[in-house]
Amino acid sequence: EVQLVESGGGLVQPGGSLRLSCAASGFSFSSFWMHWVRQAPGEGLVWVSHITSDGSSTYYADSVKGRFTISRDNAKNTLYLQMNSLRPDDTAVYYCARDFYTPGDVWGQGTTVTVSS
Amino acid sequence: DVVMTQSPLSLPVTLGQPASISCRSSQSLVHSNGHTYLNWFQQRPGQSPRRLIYMVSNRDSGVPDRFSGSGSGTDFTLKISRVEAEDVGVYYCMQSTHWPPYTFGQGTKLEIK
Repeated sequence: EVQLVESGGGLVQPGGSLRLSCAASGFSFSSFWMHWVRQAPGEGLVWVSHITSDGSSTYYADSVKGRFTISRDNAKNTLYLQMNSLRPDDTAVYYCARDFYTPGDVWGQGTTVTVSS
Repeated sequence: DVVMTQSPLSLPVTLGQPASISCRSSQSLVHSNGHTYLNWFQQRPGQSPRRLIYMVSNRDSGVPDRFSGSGSGTDFTLKISRVEAEDVGVYYCMQSTHWPPYTFGQGTKLEIK
């Protein structure tokens, strides 16, 4: 079964850091581009970041550029999002998603990040 | 950035009746390779998003054939031929032609009348 499972969310103070993980199974992880997408409470979907299959290229939304870092370990079939200098408006459910032709043919269940003092 | 505008934002539909959601982009979504990267997602209450349609009109595996996508250039439509109870949720269009960033519409909430 093709599956993505996120972890690493939690409550963090403004200015703090978190690292999200997304464990992939059931497919050849190293062959696919991957994305992070977030959804603030009661709001819509917002693309956050994208990494190519070999990790050589990364892209970010302006709102997270310079604070977040996407990476992957293809040997461990795992995608990461390192989030630094967190702000209250980073509070959201964070989803990882696979890219097949276009983003989002497979999604994880999401992990919740709350930035609050 | 490409702005995606959906209408309506709220869509009450009677069971068994058709439904239609419009999505317009602020610029043409035709890529230099000739393909158009307009995609539709469904998010049922309390669930993760699910891709229904990719590249305007291609249904993802397992998506019922009552869902169809059409359009070109800057104007696109998701149609549900006969709404069922399990179709309740929020529907998003998303463009993946001009990236970064990839951009979503605001979402259309479909409910049963």
